[in-house]
Amino acid sequence: DAGVTQSPTHLIKTRGQQVTLRCSPKSGHDTVSWYQQALGQGPQFIFQYYEEEERQRGNFPDRFSGHQFPNYSSELNVNALLLGDSALYLCASSFGGVGTQYFGPGTRLLVL
Amino acid sequence: KQEVTQIPAALSVPEGENLVLNCSFTDSAIYNLQWFRQDPGKGLTSLLLIQSSQREQTSGRLNASLDKSSGRSTLYIAASQPGDSATYLCAVEGGSQGNLIFGKGTKLSVKP
Repeated sequence: DAGVTQSPTHLIKTRGQQVTLRCSPKSGHDTVSWYQQALGQGPQFIFQYYEEEERQRGNFPDRFSGHQFPNYSSELNVNALLLGDSALYLCASSFGGVGTQYFGPGTRLLVL
Repeated sequence: KQEVTQIPAALSVPEGENLVLNCSFTDSAIYNLQWFRQDPGKGLTSLLLIQSSQREQTSGRLNASLDKSSGRSTLYIAASQPGDSATYLCAVEGGSQGNLIFGKGTKLSVKP
């Protein structure tokens, strides 16, 4: 049973560029949440997708957007990258958006 | 606004010792509380989830307790091993179900 997978594992971009991160949820899960974890900090909630719609959003600017596909996989897009966007981006999946959230290995983004 | 605090920030113990990690939260209106483990540069592994109606959960050498009224949870690790070395994160699912709010974690080092 495959767990949550994320791609790519690492990414280097320059300021002003755009980036797309991808996530496949655990088998049987239909909800995907995205988190940003800066070095030495706990993860911060970006948004959650359920039934292909953004259901909840944390305190992140509109530069952060997402999408969920019919197979429940999801993408996180970040436009106009800033140095402060450098972080580990984590994807988590659950069923119905409740209960235990299972996390993927993350994508490490470095913005130069 | 929900805030989660973990004390201590770092802990070093000799192998075999029993230890307690602490987590406190400011708003007692939570759906559940989860403890996670994170190895350096990796994603999060869910250890235990305690529903708001429960007092504790156990898994192997781990026992987590929840006192919702006082806004506190503890993670007890029995007979610690070097393989337990990691950062332990506490997260509450609060007013917006599906949105986990994390503490900054406790970095545990178990010395052989």
